[in-house]
Amino acid sequence: EPEVTQTPSHQVTQMGQEVILRCVPISNHLYFYWYRQILGQKVEFLVSFYNNEISEKSEIFDDQFSVERPDGSNFTLKIRSTKLEDSAMYFCARAEFTYAGTENYGYTFGSGTRLTVV
Amino acid sequence: GQQVMQIPQYQHVQEGEDFTTYCNSSTTLSNIQWYKQRPGGHPVFLIQLVKSGEVKKQKRLTFQFGEAKKNSSLHITATQTTDVGTYFCAGELMDSNYQLIWGAGTKLIIKP
Repeated sequence: EPEVTQTPSHQVTQMGQEVILRCVPISNHLYFYWYRQILGQKVEFLVSFYNNEISEKSEIFDDQFSVERPDGSNFTLKIRSTKLEDSAMYFCARAEFTYAGTENYGYTFGSGTRLTVV
Repeated sequence: GQQVMQIPQYQHVQEGEDFTTYCNSSTTLSNIQWYKQRPGGHPVFLIQLVKSGEVKKQKRLTFQFGEAKKNSSLHITATQTTDVGTYFCAGELMDSNYQLIWGAGTKLIIKP
């Protein structure tokens, strides 16, 4: 079982509807990420979140997307008005760092949420 | 924008044959990481290479990072059925907050 838990594992939604993807529970990590992977394609960076703020975001992460850490543990990705092309696997990830925070040792990915927009 | 090219897209091998995948970045990387993804699964971290010219081994897997920190390779010796999956390289950009740029992956297929 991955150390990063995501819910739901699969969500089907109508085009134009809002969806919220969750990453729960999270321990005392500061850096979190959302990535997506369209079926059979490469993993794409969406956004990084550090200390409760967006640190970096990609071109994919437009105004339709938002991230929050509403209660200090859950980490959510919201898509306000879904489009067909939003159908993908969405992965939450955390980075493991050395004590000094100067070098990371790779990312731990959640098992993902498969979003299907119909 | 920055890209990481990975080849080949697929590699079919007989069990026991070797497998190699290559990655090349358009820019110098801070480090490069390798992940394995089984069908229907999530990426699983294998290793991180940080130093120029670094070579690391994990049993039958050998990872290399180029001198210019722009290219990397993964070589698997004597493949086994458990090696099946897609292998991704992911480069961390310099001066970024640990954002990864991913290669397209190489799918290892074992011929029956």
